[in-house]
Amino acid sequence: AQTVTQSQPEMSVQEAETVTLSCTYDTSESDYYLFWYKQPPSRQMILVIRQEAYKQQNATENRFSVNFQKAAKSFSLKISDSQLGDAAMYFCAYRLPGGADGLTFGKGTHLIIQP
Amino acid sequence: DTGVSQNPRHKITKRGQNVTFRCDPISEHNRLYWYRQTLGQGPEFLTYFQNEAQLEKSRLLSDRFSAERPKGSFSTLEIQRTEQGDSAMYLCASSHRGSDEKLFFGSGTQLSVL
Repeated sequence: AQTVTQSQPEMSVQEAETVTLSCTYDTSESDYYLFWYKQPPSRQMILVIRQEAYKQQNATENRFSVNFQKAAKSFSLKISDSQLGDAAMYFCAYRLPGGADGLTFGKGTHLIIQP
Repeated sequence: DTGVSQNPRHKITKRGQNVTFRCDPISEHNRLYWYRQTLGQGPEFLTYFQNEAQLEKSRLLSDRFSAERPKGSFSTLEIQRTEQGDSAMYLCASSHRGSDEKLFFGSGTQLSVL
């Protein structure tokens, strides 16, 4: 079974600084997808960024980028120029193509933005 | 409204009562998922529908839980004889084949069993 591990229960960063959230996963598959979801206090899960395992290029979405290391099974999220609105729980997730169980999530990292 | 809609947002019930939640997915999405999330944890998969067919169920889904998706549109999740351990956020998500494997989530139904 696939597992996703987020080793940082909580992270804190100053507004406008850069922060990196860690994620590792375990799988025997070679083709899969990785995601970072944001869950603000409203509890709605919002997709932040997506990475396809067969692509070597790291995904980027505006201030959000990932460092995908397939051999190390590592998938970290970097948030640049942190903003107060970035404060939320961040979940790393894994999915097989067409996987009937959807996403496997980590336990999350609580990101605090200090003004 | 183009998002995933869940009702009700909050449900408080007494132990032993039955509850039903509804999820309306994004209209063109044929895949629908139910997840459960407890405090301090990530969402855990419960069940999956492709159109009206329930194709996958987690072992977390005890006999007291039942889900339906008639006509492949909205879905309901019913919990019978609720227990305090059922207290959680129940999340619904939908996706469409060819949507780059992205799941879109609703705002969830927060269940509290007293």
